[in-house]
Order: sequence, then C-alpha cells, then structure tokens
Amino acid sequence: DTGVSQNPRHKITKRGQNVTFRCDPISEHNRLYWYRQTLGQGPEFLTYFQNEAQLEKSRLLSDRFSAERPKGSFSTLEIQRTEQGDSAMYLCASSLTQQGFTDTQYFGPGTRLTVL
Amino acid sequence: RKEVEQDPGPFNVPEGATVAFNCTYSNSASQSFFWYRQDCRKEPKLLMSVYSSGNEDGRFTAQLNRASQYISLLIRDSKLSDSATYLCVVLTGTASKLTFGTGTRLQVTL
Repeated sequence: DTGVSQNPRHKITKRGQNVTFRCDPISEHNRLYWYRQTLGQGPEFLTYFQNEAQLEKSRLLSDRFSAERPKGSFSTLEIQRTEQGDSAMYLCASSLTQQGFTDTQYFGPGTRLTVL
Repeated sequence: RKEVEQDPGPFNVPEGATVAFNCTYSNSASQSFFWYRQDCRKEPKLLMSVYSSGNEDGRFTAQLNRASQYISLLIRDSKLSDSATYLCVVLTGTASKLTFGTGTRLQVTL
C-alpha cells in the first residue's frame, strides 16, 4: 500500500497524559500537513512541513502541541497534558510540490483521539 | 464569518434524484477549489477539482463563480453509494493549505 498511513488508528487516554501520533506520507511527497477534525466539522489546518522544515502553524496549535518531521519523511504530532477538548480525529495529508505547483493532498485514515 | 460556508443538510433524496450543493467562500485570494467526499469515520477523498469553466465527471458536475465566490456540485441520478458528506474545500496561500467547509451530508434512499 503506497498511500498515507497513520498510527495508531485509535488512542484513548486520560486527561493530563501525553500522546504521540505518527504519519508516514506517500514516499516521494515533500509536503506533509496535519489537520484536526471534530464531530460535525470539516478538517481544520494545524501545521505543515516542506521536507523537514515546519513552515506554518495555525493558532489552533497551542503550546501543548508539537510536530516534527526530522528527516523529511515521516512526521510525529505530540500533544502534552491532553485535555478533553483535544478529542478529535487527527488527519495527516501529503502532497508533491514542484516548481511552485502543488499537487493534490492525499489524506491518511486518521488517528481518532479520545481524552477521558 | 467562516471562510467556507455550506448548508450542513442532511439532504435526504430518493435514488435517481438530482441534488445540488452550494458553498460560498470569503477569501477572494483563494486559488483552487475542490469537492471532497467523506464517508462516516473515514478520511476525506478528493471527488473533483472545480474550475470556472465548469467541469463534469460522469454524474457529477462542479461549477465555480469567482465573482460571487460561489461553488456548486450537482449530482445526477443519485445512487445509494453516493451517501456521504460532501466537503467544499478552497486552497489558499503559498502553503497550499486547504480550508474546509463543515460538509453537507447526503443520504440517498430506496
């Protein structure tokens, strides 16, 4: 399967715990995006990387959130001291950008986080 | 005001019906426009891009009106398998980040 993969698919945690999610993009894609989707809403942009550089962060991304893409391949999203309001589906997407043109973003299956 | 606004529905239509979804966007600098489909508890998947000239893909027709900042999707001869949430999406800025509407839920019934 050469699509975007995310792990874990589901995570249940207690309030105050830290969680980390992983995204493996399509192998030749240089851009990687994180989005968050809550019930009844469309996905909301959190942050994105071009290769290993994190180029933009949404104001939705509080100080408790950190994302990395250390080698320009897979990415991790960590949430520290989770709160019930963090419960959501966390979606990763990747795309290929060349010579100023960005191709379609392909989404992974998401990680569903439940904070008790 | 939300950047992308859609009627959340649900739209309940019988098989074979024609149904239209509309969407408005607020950022006149938006560059590209799409409809994504999302099945329950699944990831969004690109249905089609939207162009000013209008474009068609089988039973699906999409239209963009830049002057009115309005996007539409028409589904003809609805199938049960068309039941899903349809997300109106705009792409903005050098980051090419996607801004999604809340989605319009479609339920096609026998």
